[in-house]
Amino acid sequence: DAGVTQSPTHLIKTRGQQVTLRCSPISGHKSVSWYQQVLGQGPQFIFQYYEKEERGRGNFPDRFSARQFPNYSSELNVNALLLGDSALYLCASSFDARTNEKLFFGSGTQLSVL
Amino acid sequence: AQSVTQPDIHITVSEGASLELRCNYSYGATPYLFWYVQSPGQGLQLLLKYFSGDTLVQGIKGFEAEFKRSQSSFNLRKPSVHWSDAAEYFCAVGEITGRRALTFGSGTRLQVQP
Repeated sequence: DAGVTQSPTHLIKTRGQQVTLRCSPISGHKSVSWYQQVLGQGPQFIFQYYEKEERGRGNFPDRFSARQFPNYSSELNVNALLLGDSALYLCASSFDARTNEKLFFGSGTQLSVL
Repeated sequence: AQSVTQPDIHITVSEGASLELRCNYSYGATPYLFWYVQSPGQGLQLLLKYFSGDTLVQGIKGFEAEFKRSQSSFNLRKPSVHWSDAAEYFCAVGEITGRRALTFGSGTRLQVQP
């Protein structure tokens, strides 16, 4: 079975632009979480979605938004990009939203903002 | 709010030597604790987790960790390190209610000398 897949793997944008990152969870998983990992730091929680509804949000500005589709895939959108948004964006999937016991992470999308 | 401290940014050990990576956490209740490993360009792989019960937990790849409530610690150990263990290691605390987000430490980079 395929693991968590994220696209694109790398992305270069300029300040002020908008970006959309995509995530396909493991088959059968209904929950998707997004994390931001700035170079030299641990991942930081951005969002959790379950059954197409937002179940949790981290301390990120409103420029960050996400959604989950009926097939449980998800998109993360970031508007008005800043240099500080440069990071590895990780998607994680789990069977449901009631536990963080079994999170499976994708390899991430490396976003560079110039 | 919960937090995780990994005091060692970078550790170098010789192949075959023992390893201990330190992790201290702050959480208002009995925590869920995790250790993840990240190789360059890769996502996070779960090594082991503690939810309750036996305070010494066994994980994959020969790793183990011990939960010490009195010291708020969850140190990772391995008796004999292999060159393939070189990677970044992250300790995390998981929320037991609500959004189930993981809070990660800033990581410890392990280098293995031949």
